[in-house]
Amino acid sequence: NAGVMQNPRHLVRRRGQEARLRCSPMKGHSHVYWYRQLPEEGLKFMVYLQKENIIDESGMPKERFSAEFPKEGPSILRIQQVVRGDSAAYFCASSPIGTANTEAFFGQGTRLTVV
Amino acid sequence: GENVGLHLPTLSVQEGDNSIINCAYSNSASDYFIWYKQESGKGPQFIIDIRSNMDKRQGQRVTVLLNKTVKHLSLQIAATQPGDSAVYFCAETAGNQFYFGTGTSLTVIP
Repeated sequence: NAGVMQNPRHLVRRRGQEARLRCSPMKGHSHVYWYRQLPEEGLKFMVYLQKENIIDESGMPKERFSAEFPKEGPSILRIQQVVRGDSAAYFCASSPIGTANTEAFFGQGTRLTVV
Repeated sequence: GENVGLHLPTLSVQEGDNSIINCAYSNSASDYFIWYKQESGKGPQFIIDIRSNMDKRQGQRVTVLLNKTVKHLSLQIAATQPGDSAVYFCAETAGNQFYFGTGTSLTVIP
């Protein structure tokens, strides 16, 4: 049973370009969470999705950021018109049920660098 | 959002000694807590969890203590090894989210 798979592991984008980060949850997991981590800082919640539904996006910036988790395929975190401040590690986690009283399994992250 | 903070940003211990990493949380309604370990360049890895109806839980070389009165969580690592060097995060769950602290960087001195 493969773990949470994120790709790409490293992504370089120029300012103004779009970044697409992919996350394939563990088999059987229908809940996905995205977190952002700046250097030397903790993990900041961004969004919580179930298949085809956004459950909680309270941590998402109001502009340029969007997320989806379609019925088929991976979850996508999309950042439009990237700026240098978007440079960070983005982690995806999945769980079989919601976060209440269950651990979430993390992927290895995508390190986004905006130049 | 809720604040989950750590008392110490860095901790150095001698190999073979015991390590104690502390965490304060602010949401008294949180009922599930997890410790994660994050090695450089990797994603967080589950270490141990504890529910709010417990005050202690033991794993292999690790023990988590929960004091709900003062909203304090600690991770104890017995006989610390070089492979334990990493950043350790505590996380609490409230609603749909995990709230993570800044992390404590543990360095094991051979």
